[in-house]
Amino acid sequence: EAGVTQSPTHLIKTRGQQATLRCSPISGHTSVYWYQQALGLGLQFLLWYDEGEERNRGNFPPRFSGRQFPNYSSELNVNALELEDSALYLCASSLGYATQYFGPGTRLTVL
Amino acid sequence: AQTVTQSQPEMSVQEAETVTLSCTYDTSENNYYLFWYKQPPSRQMILVIRQEAYKQQNATENRFSVNFQKAAKSFSLKISDSQLGDTAMYFCAFMNSGANSKLTFGKGITLSVRP
Repeated sequence: EAGVTQSPTHLIKTRGQQATLRCSPISGHTSVYWYQQALGLGLQFLLWYDEGEERNRGNFPPRFSGRQFPNYSSELNVNALELEDSALYLCASSLGYATQYFGPGTRLTVL
Repeated sequence: AQTVTQSQPEMSVQEAETVTLSCTYDTSENNYYLFWYKQPPSRQMILVIRQEAYKQQNATENRFSVNFQKAAKSFSLKISDSQLGDTAMYFCAFMNSGANSKLTFGKGITLSVRP
């Protein structure tokens, strides 16, 4: 069974640009979570999507947004990139309110 | 709000020996889940073990076991027969049962297994 996949592996952008990160959950999982792992800040919850709806949001500005598609894959968009957005972005999936399984992450570098 | 505390930033253990990683948490909830995740240098976050708060029995997965003390809000991970492949960062995480199912992580502990 395939695990959670994320693309791209690495992404380099400049300040002010937009970044789009993608995540495909484990087959059968309906929930997708996004986390940011930045140096010195640890792992922080960003967004939770379930059945196509945004269910919960962490303490991040509105320029962090996303969506979940009918096939349960998800996209995270970060607008007006700032230097401090440089981080590893991890996606996780679960079936209902259960254990979350993580993808390999996307390393975003903002120059 | 829930908090998770891992007070030891790093630990080292000799191969084949046993090591215990500490974690405490704070919550007013009664039903929740606790996890230990491992993040090796590859950065892939891997589930090590899970504990449901309503279960009194401590979870065990092969060489990994937990000591869950609900009243003390303590959740430590014991790794037996440590292997070089256990070298990684270990995160303790908390999740409410029900609708607010985000994970709250501790800061992590870097474990080094010495040959």
